[in-house]
Amino acid sequence: DIQLTQSPSFMSASVGDRVTITCRASQGINSYLAWYQQKPGKAPKLLIYAASSLESGVPSRFSGSGSGTEYTLTISSLQPEDFATYYCQQVDSYPRGTFGQGTRLENK
Amino acid sequence: QVHLVQSGAEVKKPGASVRVSCKVSGYAITELSMHWVRQAPGKGLEWMGGFDPEDDETIFAQKFQGRVTMTEDTSTDTAYMELKSLKSDDTAVYYCATPAPGTWYFDYWGHGTLVTVSS
Repeated sequence: DIQLTQSPSFMSASVGDRVTITCRASQGINSYLAWYQQKPGKAPKLLIYAASSLESGVPSRFSGSGSGTEYTLTISSLQPEDFATYYCQQVDSYPRGTFGQGTRLENK
Repeated sequence: QVHLVQSGAEVKKPGASVRVSCKVSGYAITELSMHWVRQAPGKGLEWMGGFDPEDDETIFAQKFQGRVTMTEDTSTDTAYMELKSLKSDDTAVYYCATPAPGTWYFDYWGHGTLVTVSS
């Protein structure tokens, strides 16, 4: 099974900061990678799909990149509503949809 | 637009079974590939299983094989997830989720159903 490892697991940042989260796969996943944002008590929300495509309605400060086994989510200028937990998910082995362990982003 | 409405919270004893429902609106359930994801308290997302439209079968994560069933009632556009032989570490919020037709990424999610397993 494909494993995903996110780093860091926790980060502290301030409004206006540029933030980057990394997701490493145990084998190549052909850019079949998504990023989700989850706030407490809510279902996850799709932000990025196919590694770099922005889901409709998602602010352009969110971007994704990567290939092979390494992928990143970048928030160009952190806004107050962006403090949340972020998860990557691979669907290269669809319907299997493994998630990373999550990155909790907190206000410094 | 797909809308998923899940059944309410459940409290079960160890060894019991639980069935969670997910009512679909906006699309016929036959046009979708339903998945189930769970999240233990304070923990991450865990994919449990989902429908493979290419092979017309449901695939489960290895750790749930033999203990979970996922079914659909096409007459009511409702998906069901049943988990048997519950243990305390099955306490979690259970989500149904589905990609938009023709895609693989989970665009649509239910609101979640809390299942608490406690003696």
